[in-house]
Amino acid sequence: DTEVTQTPKHLVMGMTNKKSLKCEQHMGHRAMYWYKQKAKKPPELMFVYSYEKLSINESVPSRFSPECPNSSLLNLHLHALQPEDSALYLCASSQVGQGEKLFFGSGTQLSVL
Amino acid sequence: GEDVEQSLFLSVREGDSSVINCTYTDSSSTYLYWYKQEPGAGLQLLTYIFSNMDMKQDQRLTVLLNKKDKHLSLRIADTQTGDSAIYFCAESLYNTDKLIFGTGTRLQVFP
Repeated sequence: DTEVTQTPKHLVMGMTNKKSLKCEQHMGHRAMYWYKQKAKKPPELMFVYSYEKLSINESVPSRFSPECPNSSLLNLHLHALQPEDSALYLCASSQVGQGEKLFFGSGTQLSVL
Repeated sequence: GEDVEQSLFLSVREGDSSVINCTYTDSSSTYLYWYKQEPGAGLQLLTYIFSNMDMKQDQRLTVLLNKKDKHLSLRIADTQTGDSAIYFCAESLYNTDKLIFGTGTRLQVFP
């Protein structure tokens, strides 16, 4: 299994809603990532988990809250988002270490109304 | 610095070769990657090169690395319409889990 699975594929939420994005991989990877991608732009790193511990937070607003319940799962909890947070949210995983290949999920397209 | 630059757009005829270029600024990069993104999809790793290599060939793909000039290129031989997508180069920074993406090049292949 070489897939990273993200759910849901599409999400529409209001600014007062609370929702969660989910990501799962069964490749034994111990590093997992959240990226945000606006249209026609490159992905921007948000968070990195290494061995289920948060290792990088790229100064992301607290309305985004990541969680790594175990080595196969990664969640991104969303609360009180703004319309400018609308984007494609990509999850990725890799072996831990320098320069390891990232495997990406197909993303969740989020629209905040 | 962590800027990775690419030209925005490339249009080629089916069957021709495509060359997508990338310049980066961080000399401590360990690996450099090429990813492909089709509309509405995630990123697919195409190929990668270790920073102490200068060339890597993988079927229709050839990666060239000029470390002195911090220039990376991806050549796609016999380009097909299915190669139409956005191509991102990316560099992994030494001793981090960070991957820095280039600005992306949209490749359009016409018959």
